[in-house]
Amino acid sequence: GQNIDQPTEMTATEGAIVQINCTYQTSGFNGLFWYQQHAGEAPTFLSYNVLDGLEEKGRFSSFLSRSKGYSYLLLKELQMKDSASYLCAVVDSNYQLIWGAGTKLIIKP
Amino acid sequence: GAVVSQHPSWVICKSGTSVKIECRSLDFQATTMFWYRQFPKQSLMLMATSNEGSKATYEQGVEKDKFLINHASLTLSTLTVTSAHPEDSSFYICSNPGGDYNEQFFGPGTRLTVL
Repeated sequence: GQNIDQPTEMTATEGAIVQINCTYQTSGFNGLFWYQQHAGEAPTFLSYNVLDGLEEKGRFSSFLSRSKGYSYLLLKELQMKDSASYLCAVVDSNYQLIWGAGTKLIIKP
Repeated sequence: GAVVSQHPSWVICKSGTSVKIECRSLDFQATTMFWYRQFPKQSLMLMATSNEGSKATYEQGVEKDKFLINHASLTLSTLTVTSAHPEDSSFYICSNPGGDYNEQFFGPGTRLTVL
C-alpha cells in the first residue's frame, strides 16, 4: 500500500528553526509537495521537489532524497503566523496525489 | 496562481436535506477539478475527480449517488450532498491543478454541519 508518514505535532519557539520530516512509500514517484494549512482554511502551496536536493524559498526550504523516500520542510526565523498544519503530498506513478496526515506546528513566544 | 472560489463558505442544514456546493475557477479554465473532504484533525481525503463535460471519477468508498458532481462548464463544478446526515458534517474543499508545478489551487472550503 501507499503510505506517507509525518509527525502528528511539533512545538517550536518564535525565532527558532524547525524541521518537519516526511517519509513515503508509494508506487512510483513524480514529485513531492508541501502545503501549509491554517486552522479552518484551505491548504496553500509552499514547495515542490522532484529532484534530490534542497530548494530554498525565503524562510522556507524543502529537501528531497528519492533514494531514502524522505523529505523535510525547514522553517527558519519562526513567526507566530507560522503556526499551522504542514501537509506532505507525493505524486505517484499514476499522477495521483497521496496526502500525509499533516504535522501541526505550534509556535510559542 | 489560479483563483478558486467556493460557495457557500459554511452551511448548516437539517438531516435529510440536500446541499449544493459550488466551486468556481475565476481566472483559469479548469477541465479537471478535485473534491476533497477533511474531518477535524485529519488530512485531506480525495472524494472524486470532476471532469468537464463527462462523468466524475469517484474514489473507492465514496457513494456517487450520495455525492453528485456536475462539471458543466470550464469554470464551474458543483458537489451536491444528497440526503445529508450528521456524519456528512465535514470541511469540503475543491481544487484545480495548475501553475509551474501542476500544484493544487484550493478553494477556501465549505464547512458543512448537518443537524
